[in-house]
Amino acid sequence: EPEVTQTPSHQVTQMGQEVILRCVPISNHLYFYWYRQILGQKVEFLVSFYNNEISEKSEIFDDQFSVERPDGSNFTLKIRSTKLEDSAMYFCASSDSSPPRDEQFFGPGTRLTVL
Amino acid sequence: AQTVTQSQPEMSVQEAETVTLSCTYDTSESDYYLFWYKQPPSRQMILVIRQEAYKQQNATENRFSVNFQKAAKSFSLKISDSQLGDAAMYFCACTQGGSEKLVFGKGTKLTVNP
Repeated sequence: EPEVTQTPSHQVTQMGQEVILRCVPISNHLYFYWYRQILGQKVEFLVSFYNNEISEKSEIFDDQFSVERPDGSNFTLKIRSTKLEDSAMYFCASSDSSPPRDEQFFGPGTRLTVL
Repeated sequence: AQTVTQSQPEMSVQEAETVTLSCTYDTSESDYYLFWYKQPPSRQMILVIRQEAYKQQNATENRFSVNFQKAAKSFSLKISDSQLGDAAMYFCACTQGGSEKLVFGKGTKLTVNP
């Protein structure tokens, strides 16, 4: 069964450094998402992406964040200058038809640790 | 703003018995959707069950069913004949018509005892 994959599973970085988190959505999906979960807190929506542009974003998704679909398979989240409070689990998700009715398929997550 | 509350951080159940996980939500919209996601240890979240707010009938998926009380804004998940593989974090989530984002509760960790 097709799955969303994410790399790396764990990323450690120094404060102020740029990080790129990578996701490979399910191949025929058209809608892509990033969520994050700070330890002990709720899973929070960051951004949704459709037709090569951001369709919705949260207040968390400020100028330090960007998303890109550089080719037909990858979907990336870039954090330009990481802060300590960016330490979290980052989940990518995808769906094949118009949300919110339809299921979002989640990846296993990337644990980001900012030192 | 939408909020989702899961008041049970942890629950446990004996194998083959029934357990109910609670969830309440708040939304000002009339068009919304409710979901239960399961996250086994070190695995991705998978959808367990979905309920459209406009449907009065409670959704069921095999051993999983919901009790959707729209007036009370309550959406509990019942797991019947619990199995060891049901052990996981369970997240309740809500999304509004016209929006793509899922709003999650904090999750309930379910332990299944043999």
